[in-house]
Amino acid sequence: GNSVTQMEGPVTLSEEAFLTINCTYTATGYPSLFWYVQYPGEGLQLLLKATKADDKGSNKGFEATYRKETTSFHLEKGSVQVSDSAVYFCALTTANTGNQFYFGTGTSLTVIP
Amino acid sequence: GAVVSQHPSWVICKSGTSVKIECRSLDFQATTMFWYRQFPKQSLMLMATSNEGSKATYEQGVEKDKFLINHASLTLSTLTVTSAHPEDSSFYICSANIRLDTEAFFGQGTRLTVV
Repeated sequence: GNSVTQMEGPVTLSEEAFLTINCTYTATGYPSLFWYVQYPGEGLQLLLKATKADDKGSNKGFEATYRKETTSFHLEKGSVQVSDSAVYFCALTTANTGNQFYFGTGTSLTVIP
Repeated sequence: GAVVSQHPSWVICKSGTSVKIECRSLDFQATTMFWYRQFPKQSLMLMATSNEGSKATYEQGVEKDKFLINHASLTLSTLTVTSAHPEDSSFYICSANIRLDTEAFFGQGTRLTVV
């Protein structure tokens, strides 16, 4: 079946620190992989995505590379800011599941000045 | 990008009453919409898949008679929580897909509190 395993939080970092949030997956077929961000009191926003192996998604300084050999899609950012404080969800979807999303449990990130 | 509007963003209701949540795709047609529920400090769990013009498909463990889903048009799906109880308090989020595209667009979510 399809599932996403995500690093549990919460994660607290100082401003300008390096961020890694681990995400691994299992999937039937060829999944597309996503990172969504949820700011306090808001819905989900797409942060970045990758649709095939070795693709790198990037946005707002965040990056994640689709690694088929390790079934991973780790999220990284070189220098976090206070405004990056949010909950981050790793997710996948496959065409053969009708575009239903499978989410990880979410990782709460707090960046302190 | 495409916009999905969810309304209301928050609602407080009394036990035993019903609450309707709307999910609209504003600038595209969505034959399929999904309804998710998010428990505090947990991830989103799919409740049901809403298909335009047909009955919704519910995930195992989700009560069909309690969570009524209607997808009457290509731009609107509604979730009605009937006879709400405090344990139904949660964050409900809908998503819609553009046809032939794998990306989902999410509504802002609705925080339901049943007192």
